[in-house]
Amino acid sequence: EADIYQTPRYLVIGTGKKITLECSQTMGHDKMYWYQQDPGMELHLIHYSYGVNSTEKGDLSSESTVSRIRTEHFPLTLESARPSHTSQYLCASSEGAKQPQHFGDGTRLSIL
Amino acid sequence: QKEVEQNSGPLSVPEGAIASLNCTYSDRGSQSFFWYRQYSGKSPELIMFIYSNGDKEDGRFTAQLNKASQYVSLLIRDSQPSDSATYLCAVILGGTDKLIFGTGTRLQVFP
Repeated sequence: EADIYQTPRYLVIGTGKKITLECSQTMGHDKMYWYQQDPGMELHLIHYSYGVNSTEKGDLSSESTVSRIRTEHFPLTLESARPSHTSQYLCASSEGAKQPQHFGDGTRLSIL
Repeated sequence: QKEVEQNSGPLSVPEGAIASLNCTYSDRGSQSFFWYRQYSGKSPELIMFIYSNGDKEDGRFTAQLNKASQYVSLLIRDSQPSDSATYLCAVILGGTDKLIFGTGTRLQVFP
């Protein structure tokens, strides 16, 4: 079973706030990913990392940023939250780029 | 044409029946194929992965891959109401490391 953790699980916050969504994994995976998913809609890759100090933007343009200073940690930051950022954010990791991705429980973000 | 296509459903089957979920992909060079189950409001959970042509069985689940026809399917035997969820097909495109998800098929298993 994959050990990948996301905090917080739910966040309701006002417009303009700076937000950091945490994602950690204990499997030593080099590859980590952030997806955005609206209810009933498909997953969209917004960021990924293939290792420490490596980050790339995904297919869906996002105003968020990510960092990868440690292998196990891949936080996502929104500098100034807006209602359009309301969504579910899912973090995943994999042992290799062609290996299965394992997901955390997600963070459901609501911006008022 | 989408890179990974699935019928959105819902696919409704009675309890105990076989549910058959299908997925087609556009990139003939694709190598890795995955099925995820996603309950409403939850994150995707890996069910099966398959890399070679043919069938792969795990318990009540069987993944079938046909690279010549560019489709991958998931069979769920003895379907249970707890199998009711959205099933996502995901494919790693050939020559890349990009994992592309389909939009998912909603399965409903009724008692």
